[in-house]
Amino acid sequence: EIVLTQSPGTLSLSPGERATLSCRASQSFTSGALAWYQKKRGQAPRLLIYGVSSRATGIPDRFSGSGSGTDFTLTINRLEPEDFAVYYCQQYGSSAIFGQGTKLEIK
Amino acid sequence: QVQLVQSGAEVKKPGSSVKVSCKISGETFSTYGVNWVRQAPGQGLEWMAGSIPIFRTTNFAQKFQGRVSIITDESTNTAYMELSGLRSDDTAIYYCATRNLNGLSSFWGQGTLVTVSS
Repeated sequence: EIVLTQSPGTLSLSPGERATLSCRASQSFTSGALAWYQKKRGQAPRLLIYGVSSRATGIPDRFSGSGSGTDFTLTINRLEPEDFAVYYCQQYGSSAIFGQGTKLEIK
Repeated sequence: QVQLVQSGAEVKKPGSSVKVSCKISGETFSTYGVNWVRQAPGQGLEWMAGSIPIFRTTNFAQKFQGRVSIITDESTNTAYMELSGLRSDDTAIYYCATRNLNGLSSFWGQGTLVTVSS
């Protein structure tokens, strides 16, 4: 079973800065079935990125995904106040697994 | 616009079962399957199970095998997740989400808090 490890656990940045979040898989998967979700307290998860780098409908272009093999990255350019949340990567398919999450907090 | 509306909060005794409903509008479960994901207090997201009715397939995370069942009623566009043998560590918010053929969850319900307490 694939394990997804996200780093860092917590990222402290200021609005306007760039955030780089990492997701490393314990084994390579070539399906490209890697997604990123944003989770805020009291809200349902929100799909941001699917297929490693495709933005979901309505997601601003300051969000971008990249990577291949075992290493994947979510980049958020020009952080807005509403971007501070917890972010999860997910490998999906017939089953699914989430990383443990990265908390993006205001510095 | 696809919307999923889940049933309300539940309080259950250890050892009992809970059944959470998830009604879809704007689409049907013939088009989308359903995934169930939970988040325990202070913890991350955990995928539990998912089904694709048109293929009559259901997949489960190993830790939930034998304890969770998913039913999809296409006549009412409602999916149900039943979790049995409840324990205190099953206390969590349970989410349903649409599932496309690749397994991706695009649209999510608002979540249902299940509290297991004696």
